[in-house]
Amino acid sequence: EVQLVQSGGGLVQPGGSLRLSCVGSGFTFSSYWMSWVRQAPGKGLEWVANIKQDGSEIKYLASVKGRFTISRDNAKNSVYLQMNSLRADETAVYFCAREVGSSSWPFDYWGQGSLVAVSS
Amino acid sequence: DIQMTQSPSSLSASIGDRVTITCRASQSITLYLNWYQQKPGKAPNLLIYAASSLQSGVPSRFSGSGFGTDFTLTISSLQPEDYATYYCQQSYRNPYTFGQGTKLEI
Repeated sequence: EVQLVQSGGGLVQPGGSLRLSCVGSGFTFSSYWMSWVRQAPGKGLEWVANIKQDGSEIKYLASVKGRFTISRDNAKNSVYLQMNSLRADETAVYFCAREVGSSSWPFDYWGQGSLVAVSS
Repeated sequence: DIQMTQSPSSLSASIGDRVTITCRASQSITLYLNWYQQKPGKAPNLLIYAASSLQSGVPSRFSGSGFGTDFTLTISSLQPEDYATYYCQQSYRNPYTFGQGTKLEI
C-alpha cells in the first residue's frame, strides 16, 4: 500500500523557520517526482515546489523562491521542505504529494497534511 | 502563470442528480488537466487525469471531458459520499495551478 506520512508542522513566529518531512512507503520512492502543495484555512490548493527523482531539477512557486528549499533523500524515502522567513499569510496545511511521471502528471497520492501556523 | 477558473463556486444538488462542473484555463493546456475531490480535513483525492481518464478505484459515475481551455467534470448520479469540494488542476506548465474549487452541497 502506497503511503506518504508527514511530520514537522507547528507554530512559528513570523520570520521563523520550520522543516517539514514526508516519508514514502509501498512504492519505489526514487522513481517519482515529489511535490509540496499547501492550503490556507478555508482556501483552495496552491502548489509550492517539486523535485525530480534524483534531485537534479527543482521548481518553486515564485513567492517562495529564495526562502523555501525542497530536497530529498532517496535512501530514506523522504522529501523535505525547509521554510525560512515565514510570513503570516503562509499559515496553511502543507501536503506532500507524489506525481505520476507520465500522462498529465497528476498527484495520485498525498500525505495527511501538516499544519503550519505562522503567528506571534 | 496559467489561471484556472471553475464554475460554479458552489452548487446545491440532490441525491440522484446529474452534476456538471466547468473549468476554464487562461491558455491552452491541451489534455494536461486533472480533477480532485476533497472532503473536510482530508487530503485531496485524484478522480480524473488527462482530462478524461478515470483514476483506478474511482466510481464510473465520475467522468471528465474537454481539450485546450474548456473542461468539464460530470457526476452522472449524485451519491451521499460525493458531497465535497472539487478542484481542477493544470500540469501543462509550472507553476502548476488549481481552480478555486467548487463546493457541492445538499
